[in-house]
Amino acid sequence: NAGVTQTPKFQVLKTGQSMTLQCAQDMNHNSMYWYRQDPGMGLRLIYYSASEGTTDKGEVPNGYNVSRLNKREFSLRLESAAPSQTSVYFCASGTGLFYEQYFGPGTRLTVT
Amino acid sequence: GQQLNQSPQSMFIQEGEDVSMNCTSSSIFNTWLWYKQEPGEGPVLLIALYKAGELTSNGRLTAQFGITRKDSFLNISASIPSDVGIYFCAGRNFGNEKLTFGTGTRLTIIP
Repeated sequence: NAGVTQTPKFQVLKTGQSMTLQCAQDMNHNSMYWYRQDPGMGLRLIYYSASEGTTDKGEVPNGYNVSRLNKREFSLRLESAAPSQTSVYFCASGTGLFYEQYFGPGTRLTVT
Repeated sequence: GQQLNQSPQSMFIQEGEDVSMNCTSSSIFNTWLWYKQEPGEGPVLLIALYKAGELTSNGRLTAQFGITRKDSFLNISASIPSDVGIYFCAGRNFGNEKLTFGTGTRLTIIP
């Protein structure tokens, strides 16, 4: 089992460009999450999906959109990238009564 | 958004020493989780706690769910170089799919 996979691993964008970050999990988990991690800020939730077909905003959703394509895949889209979106993005999935979350390796995004 | 307070923010210890860190919240949680993140990697789940007062071990790591349900503790015994990283706590309320994360404790081992 690969667990949670993310692509790409690194990306550099110019301000105003768009891109989609991909995430897939093979653990048959119902819930999936997108976080961003900035120095000194810990992990902040952008969007999450409690089940296939549903998505909800997290703590910092502005500037992002998501798609829960099926049970395995949850993508994050930046429509018009801004330097403030320079960050490390983590996807996670979880299930079960206690909703432990399992993280992917991250995408390091720089917006110039 | 709410974040949990972790202390200390950073620790510099010598190999072989024991480590203690804690996490406190103004809210009650029903689940406490401890993660470790190494440079360039995603957080990895170390220990999950489900009941107030629970004490759970994973090798040299031991974590406790505080009796008040507003705090949790992580101890590492006899530290080794591969323990280096950032340790995050996370709490969850019953019925909520979301976790609240702490700000992390960065552990450095001095040679």
